[in-house]
Amino acid sequence: DAGVTQSPTHLIKTRGQQVTLRCSPKSGHDTVSWYQQALGQGPQFIFQYYEEEERQRGNFPDRFSGHQFPNYSSELNVNALLLGDSALYLCASTNGGWGNQPQHFGDGTRLSIL
Amino acid sequence: QQQVKQSPQSLIVQKGGISIINCAYENTAFDYFPWYQQFPGKGPALLIAIRPDVSEKKEGRFTISFNKSAKQFSLHIMDSQPGDSATYFCAASEEGGSEKLVFGKGTKLTVNP
Repeated sequence: DAGVTQSPTHLIKTRGQQVTLRCSPKSGHDTVSWYQQALGQGPQFIFQYYEEEERQRGNFPDRFSGHQFPNYSSELNVNALLLGDSALYLCASTNGGWGNQPQHFGDGTRLSIL
Repeated sequence: QQQVKQSPQSLIVQKGGISIINCAYENTAFDYFPWYQQFPGKGPALLIAIRPDVSEKKEGRFTISFNKSAKQFSLHIMDSQPGDSATYFCAASEEGGSEKLVFGKGTKLTVNP
């Protein structure tokens, strides 16, 4: 039973570029959340997708956008990259609906901005 | 505004000892409190979780204690082992856990042999 898978594992970009990160949820899960984890910090919620729509959003600028596909996989897009966007980007999945379902995380994509 | 405060930032324990990590929260709408364990180069892994209708939950060597009136909860690791050396995060969410998780800043635990 595959867990949450993310690609790529590492990525190096320069300021001003755009990046797309990908996530496949754990089998049986239909809800995907994205988190940003800066070095030495706890993960911070970016947004959550359910039924191909953004259901919740954290305090991140519009440069951060996402998408969920009919097979429940998801993409995180970041435009106009800044040095401060360097972080580990984590995807978490859970069952749909509300309540009582834990979130399971992938191993993340390490994004470095030069 | 940090909604979940975690302490200590780092902790060193001898093998066989008890590790205790504390968290405090502000949002009374939180109703799900998980603990995650993260090893270097890996994503957070769910360790144990509690809901506010119970004051304690135990799974093997790991115990969560919850104090609703004080808005505090803690993780106790009994008989700590070198393999427990990792960073531990407390978190909280509304609506039972599938909602966004608000994380503490983490505690780096080192268990010496």
